[in-house]
Amino acid sequence: GENVEQHPSTLSVQEGDSAVIKCTYSDSASNYFPWYKQELGKRPQLIIDIRSNVGEKKDQRIAVTLNKTAKHFSLHITETQPEDSAVYFCAASTHTGNQFYFGTGTSLTVIP
Amino acid sequence: SAVISQKPSRDICQRGTSLTIQCQVDSQVTMMFWYRQQPGQSLTLIATANQGSEATYESGFVIDKFPISRPNLTFSTLTVSNMSPEDSSIYLCSVAGSGRGGEQYFGPGTRLTVT
Repeated sequence: GENVEQHPSTLSVQEGDSAVIKCTYSDSASNYFPWYKQELGKRPQLIIDIRSNVGEKKDQRIAVTLNKTAKHFSLHITETQPEDSAVYFCAASTHTGNQFYFGTGTSLTVIP
Repeated sequence: SAVISQKPSRDICQRGTSLTIQCQVDSQVTMMFWYRQQPGQSLTLIATANQGSEATYESGFVIDKFPISRPNLTFSTLTVSNMSPEDSSIYLCSVAGSGRGGEQYFGPGTRLTVT
């Protein structure tokens, strides 16, 4: 089955700096890669996703890049703010809408 | 996106008992899923709840321990049977979005503590 690895497990940045979280996956059939943000005690919230026919996608301060050849994808957050502090999970899916395999999570702290 | 609710939001249960968690969606959805999130850990898919047929379980999860019902396109239940302290987790349902496809949205979760 699919194996998703995520690094780093914890990340601290100064407010205004950028944060980058990286994930690798093992199954070349994976074609959908979402990112979720989970604040303490709350449900995971979808913040951005990318499909295998696209190399990069941006949404304001958030961007995701995908390298299919190397089987890795990354989340980039620019101009970080304290409210970006949360746990971020990447995931990979081999079939649209089915069977998400999640990374181990990255706890991001933005220091004011 | 769909509005998803879960009941109960939390419970404390004794070892050896069972708990049924409900997931209700405000619109019809084809795909519903159940996940487990152990304290401080990632999300692990338990099973896909199929409407009108048996759930599809992931490796390491069995129907006898986690029976699932999906009587219609807006509702599902997950039962955690014969509980032990190792079952203490947050259990979340999710649904596949009705938009472009692929995205999943999560319910608020049920925090289960087994004593």
